[in-house]
Amino acid sequence: DVKVTQSSRYLVKRTGEKVFLECVQDMDHENMFWYRQDPGLGLRLIYFSYDVKMKEKGDIPEGYSVSREKKERFSLILESASTNQTSMYLCASSRSSHDLNTEAFFGQGTRLTVV
Amino acid sequence: GQNIDQPTEMTATEGAIVQINCTYQTSGFNGLFWYQQHAGEAPTFLSYNVLDGLEEKGRFSSFLSRSKGYSYLLLKELQMKDSASYLCAVMDSNYQLIWGAGTKLIIKP
Repeated sequence: DVKVTQSSRYLVKRTGEKVFLECVQDMDHENMFWYRQDPGLGLRLIYFSYDVKMKEKGDIPEGYSVSREKKERFSLILESASTNQTSMYLCASSRSSHDLNTEAFFGQGTRLTVV
Repeated sequence: GQNIDQPTEMTATEGAIVQINCTYQTSGFNGLFWYQQHAGEAPTFLSYNVLDGLEEKGRFSSFLSRSKGYSYLLLKELQMKDSASYLCAVMDSNYQLIWGAGTKLIIKP
């Protein structure tokens, strides 16, 4: 059974803290993504990666960074958490972008609350 | 800019049929996806259309018209477990997924 696993389901952090969200996939996928999902808005892409050590900014990268040292692992870092980063964070992976029907597989999500 | 539009919420009755529409304006087109997302859970893949026409998969069907920038997801014989949000996403010319805000489907007995 294919799997994308996020390290935490629920997380509460204080303003100004550095926050790490980890994501691991076991499908040998090239692509990995970090999204945030807020009520009334679509999934918004924060960062994505096409390969190890490669990263590309998505639509809303401000306040975030990422790391992909190994193919199976993609980490999202909130350098200094702020209350407007309270959200559901979803990690996803997919095969190479140039294969059509690159179905994305999602992790279970991390609901982050910044107080 | 790129845009995906779908209704915010729909209500239907158990056993009935419902059609969820999605219209899109994107820079290029490399396929359209539908995902289902139950409350508090991750989205799961339902269907993919890249050519015009209807794709049927059990109780769910998805239709695409590229010339109209339009798709719909058709759910038949609705069950209570179909209560969920349905997300439409288009893969653009850069192979990036552009997501709609989702349609919350409420099924009533």
